[in-house]
Amino acid sequence: DVVLTQTPPTLSATIGQSVSISCRSSQSLLHSNGNTYLHWLLQRPGQSPQLLIYSVSRLESGVPNRFSGSGSGTDFTLKISGVEAEDLGVYYCVQGTHAPRTFGGGTKLELK
Amino acid sequence: QVTLKESGPGILQPSQTLSLTCTFSGFSLSTYGMGVGWIRQPSGKGLEWLANIWWDDDKYYNPSLKNRLTISKDTSNNQAFLKITNVDTADTATYYCARIEGLGALDYWGQGVMVTVSS
Repeated sequence: DVVLTQTPPTLSATIGQSVSISCRSSQSLLHSNGNTYLHWLLQRPGQSPQLLIYSVSRLESGVPNRFSGSGSGTDFTLKISGVEAEDLGVYYCVQGTHAPRTFGGGTKLELK
Repeated sequence: QVTLKESGPGILQPSQTLSLTCTFSGFSLSTYGMGVGWIRQPSGKGLEWLANIWWDDDKYYNPSLKNRLTISKDTSNNQAFLKITNVDTADTATYYCARIEGLGALDYWGQGVMVTVSS
């Protein structure tokens, strides 16, 4: 199975600060069809996960543009440009290139 | 508007079979490229992929649980199902179903259903 390693496991930020979360894959996530099936989710406390970014860098409808995704191959990054209070929670990367789908271990974003 | 809602027994005993239902609206599992996946999350822990089913009835299972999982769908009634046989306390978790769209992202999630396995 593909292992997704997220760092850091915990992130403390102040409101307005910009932060980045890394997701590294044990295998390239570039599919033979040319797509890279790496997505980012946010799970706020007590809620279901929600999709933020799909296919590395595509912003899901309704998600603020302070969120952005980048990367290729095995290294991917989620950036939040100016953290807001509603961004607190656990962020997960998830890959769908290789079966079975796998999730990263999560990065908890807390207020400093 | 896309919605999904999971339902299940709440509590069951070790060795029993867990049956979960995902009832959805706003899309059809007969539409090309659509899928539904099942994911679980033990309390305070991360997410674990269990299985998914596609519009063409293709199915994928997590190999670590494959012998115990069965996924199916009822397209006419907009439902997807997951059965887990021979449960034990390690299967205690919140179970989610989610829509899988064309690029494989889990774009809509249900609210989750808590399942406790206890004697």
